Amino acid sequence: NAGVTQTPKFQVLKTGQSMTLQCAQDMNHNSMYWYRQDPGMGLRLIYYSASEGTTDKGEVPDGYNVSRLKKQNFLLGLESAAPSQTSVYFCASSSLEGAEAFFGQGTRLTVV
Amino acid sequence: GENVEQHPSTLSVQEGDSAVIKCTYSDSASNYFPWYKQELGKGPQLIIDIRSNVGEKKDQRIAVTLNKTAKHFSLHITETQPEDSAVYFCAPVQGGTSYGKLTFGQGTILTVHP
Repeated sequence: NAGVTQTPKFQVLKTGQSMTLQCAQDMNHNSMYWYRQDPGMGLRLIYYSASEGTTDKGEVPDGYNVSRLKKQNFLLGLESAAPSQTSVYFCASSSLEGAEAFFGQGTRLTVV
Repeated sequence: GENVEQHPSTLSVQEGDSAVIKCTYSDSASNYFPWYKQELGKGPQLIIDIRSNVGEKKDQRIAVTLNKTAKHFSLHITETQPEDSAVYFCAPVQGGTSYGKLTFGQGTILTVHP
């Protein structure tokens, strides 16, 4: 049972480049989330998805887009990377409202 | 949205001592109160949680207490061990249509000295 798997684990982008962070969960969870973690700021919600085919903005959505075409996958896109998007990104999933969230190992992204 | 404050931001204790971390939240509709532990290079992991109809919950050396009137809940770790060293986050969850969104506190860096 792999839980939540994120790819890639590390990535360096140049300003203006685009990329997609991938997240897969094998727990049949309905809800999935993308967070970013910056030093001294805890984790902040970028986007979340309550079910397959639905997505909604979180606290810091600007500069990102998401896709939830399949229940097990939640993709985070950066259309034109900026240095301010340098961060560690975590994907998480949970089975229902208020239940335990399971996190992936994170993707460390550096934009130069 | 929910405002979450966590104190202290850093906590240093000797092995065997107790540690207490407090989390204050703003939304009276919050109904689920988890604590997460994050070790270096890993994602957060749930260590204990409590729901709004319970005042205290224990699991071996860790416990969580909830004061809904004052809108705060606390993590208690007794007989601390070096492996307890990590960053701890509270993440109260709003009810209703919030789909279980977690609003994280800023984190507390706990260091347990052998």
